[in-house]
Amino acid sequence: AQSVTQLGSHVSVSEGALVLLRCNYSSSVPPYLFWYVQYPNQGLQLLLKYTSAATLVKGINGFEAEFKKSETSFHLTKPSAHMSDAAEYFCAVSDRGSARQLTFGSGTQLTVLP
Amino acid sequence: ETGVTQTPRHLVMGMTNKKSLKCEQHLGHNAMYWYKQSAKKPLELMFVYSLEERVENNSVPSRFSPECPNSSHLFLHLHTLQPEDSALYLCASSQGDLLAGEETQYFGPGTRLLVL
Repeated sequence: AQSVTQLGSHVSVSEGALVLLRCNYSSSVPPYLFWYVQYPNQGLQLLLKYTSAATLVKGINGFEAEFKKSETSFHLTKPSAHMSDAAEYFCAVSDRGSARQLTFGSGTQLTVLP
Repeated sequence: ETGVTQTPRHLVMGMTNKKSLKCEQHLGHNAMYWYKQSAKKPLELMFVYSLEERVENNSVPSRFSPECPNSSHLFLHLHTLQPEDSALYLCASSQGDLLAGEETQYFGPGTRLLVL
């Protein structure tokens, strides 16, 4: 069975600092991996996804993530945080042939300090 | 605006009430989903419909009853709920092969449900 672990339920960074949100997965087959963002009182929005093309995936709003099979990780980064990045971020995994079963992590709340 | 709308946005109901949540997608997708989002817990997939046929039911209590009358509409009928059912209920839709697993899910804003 697949699972996702997000280390750190809360992360605080200063505006302009590097953002690093961690995600580790377990899957019996090469997975598809996703990062979603949820702003207050809204649903989830896709930031980026890995589908076995390039291991470095670029997403919206300046975010990117790197798939590292040896570390079973898919960490999300952004070089310079902006106040508007404050939100909750979810990592998710699905297996090939999994009939649309997305397994989500518990989420990481990102706070950006002025 | 993701193309997935949900009504109502907020709902308060007693344990003996019957209510329904509605989801509509304007994206031409062929799959729709209900998720439950509780505080401090991962999103829980409740139901998946593909081409209007239910393909997943993840051990959800029978007090939750989904209905998918067509590919654009999805309902969640609620009756005799418990206080622990209070949560944000999210609808999503996607398009692609049933077994592909790589398609993006587009989420609605959710219905915030409070059961008293």
